[in-house]
Amino acid sequence: DGGITQSPKYLFRKEGQNVTLSCEQNLNHDAMYWYRQDPGQGLRLIYYSQIVNDFQKGDIAEGYSVSREKKESFPLTVTSAQKNPTAFYLCASSMVPDTQYFGPGTRLTVL
Amino acid sequence: KNQVEQSPQSLIILEGKNCTLQCNYTVSPFSNLRWYKQDTGRGPVSLTIMTFSENTKSNGRYTATLDADTKQSSLHITASQLSDSASYICVVSFNTGGFKTIFGAGTRLFVKA
Repeated sequence: DGGITQSPKYLFRKEGQNVTLSCEQNLNHDAMYWYRQDPGQGLRLIYYSQIVNDFQKGDIAEGYSVSREKKESFPLTVTSAQKNPTAFYLCASSMVPDTQYFGPGTRLTVL
Repeated sequence: KNQVEQSPQSLIILEGKNCTLQCNYTVSPFSNLRWYKQDTGRGPVSLTIMTFSENTKSNGRYTATLDADTKQSSLHITASQLSDSASYICVVSFNTGGFKTIFGAGTRLFVKA
């Protein structure tokens, strides 16, 4: 069953903690993306990767880090340097420049 | 500045009625335009994709139009159903030294019985 998955669905973090959001795809897509969605705003690109072991900063990369050690996986770490991390995080994958397929999202809340 | 603007911000219609959502963009050079549907708390799902040479694309009760000259697109929903209640996002891609994508803020559609 092909698709893109994210975990966990809900995540709670205390201030000062780093947390890692998981994103896995078995669509054999080369490119993977992380977006942040806030109420009333369009999706904003955090990081993207077009090939294994390579990734690029998006528009709002500060306070985030990623890795792309495998084609199927693109985890996102939200560090304590991110001042306002509470948001809905979406991972996507695609064959560049084809349509992006999105995962179900992770809602992160800072307590 | 590359931008994608959608209107209205939100819309309430009765079940069975038609509606049209608007998307204006200033992106250049244009590559393609997509419409996505996003249910609350879920990831967006692609409805249609149009390139520069296409001016209409249908997917069931959803019909998207594109006017590349005026840089406008619309999404028309026919005979709305309660399950159409969602956010509809216009996404424009362009290629300028690299492939980039800009997302509109979306139109929140509520279909009432």
